[in-house]
Amino acid sequence: EAQVTQNPRYLITVTGKKLTVTCSQNMNHEYMSWYRQDPGLGLRQIYYSMNVEVTDKGDVPEGYKVSRKEKRNFPLILESPSPNQTSLYFCASSSGGVNYEQYFGPGTRLTVT
Amino acid sequence: DQQVKQNSPSLSVQEGRISILNCDYTNSMFDYFLWYKKYPAEGPTFLISISSIKDKNEDGRFTVFLNKSAKHLSLHIVPSQPGDSAVYFCAASAWDSNYQLIWGAGTKLIIKP
Repeated sequence: EAQVTQNPRYLITVTGKKLTVTCSQNMNHEYMSWYRQDPGLGLRQIYYSMNVEVTDKGDVPEGYKVSRKEKRNFPLILESPSPNQTSLYFCASSSGGVNYEQYFGPGTRLTVT
Repeated sequence: DQQVKQNSPSLSVQEGRISILNCDYTNSMFDYFLWYKKYPAEGPTFLISISSIKDKNEDGRFTVFLNKSAKHLSLHIVPSQPGDSAVYFCAASAWDSNYQLIWGAGTKLIIKP
């Protein structure tokens, strides 16, 4: 089954404790992206990757890091989480950028206290 | 400043009638528009898209209309069904970036039986 998986689905952590949210896709997609969803703001793009070892900033990259060492994986790293990073995070992939259908993971609900 | 605006946070429609969801944009560089649908506790799923070279695109019960001069697009769902109850997001990409997507805040559609 074609899918995008994210782990964990829910996470409560404390300010400053480094964390990683994993994302994996099994569709051999070149493009992957991370979004955060906040009430009244829709989805905002954090980082995206056009291919292995090629990443770039989206609209809200501050406080986040990503890496793309393999085609299927695109982890999101919060080196020192802060309460303003409390949000719902989605990973997505597509065969060729945002004008192609993006497949989304189920989301990761992160709370930073 | 939100470049993609969905001014109706929610919309209630009788089953079997037409649902019309609206979206306005401000950036004249946008040339591709997409609609995604989201159920609670799931990631968004792609619904339909339209390029700026067209003014209409149809897929089954779903039709998207684009009015470039007014910088306005709308999604029509006919007839509306209970399974259409979801949050609908409008999103846009610019001609010079196939990798970044700007999203609206979403409209919650409720189909009444």
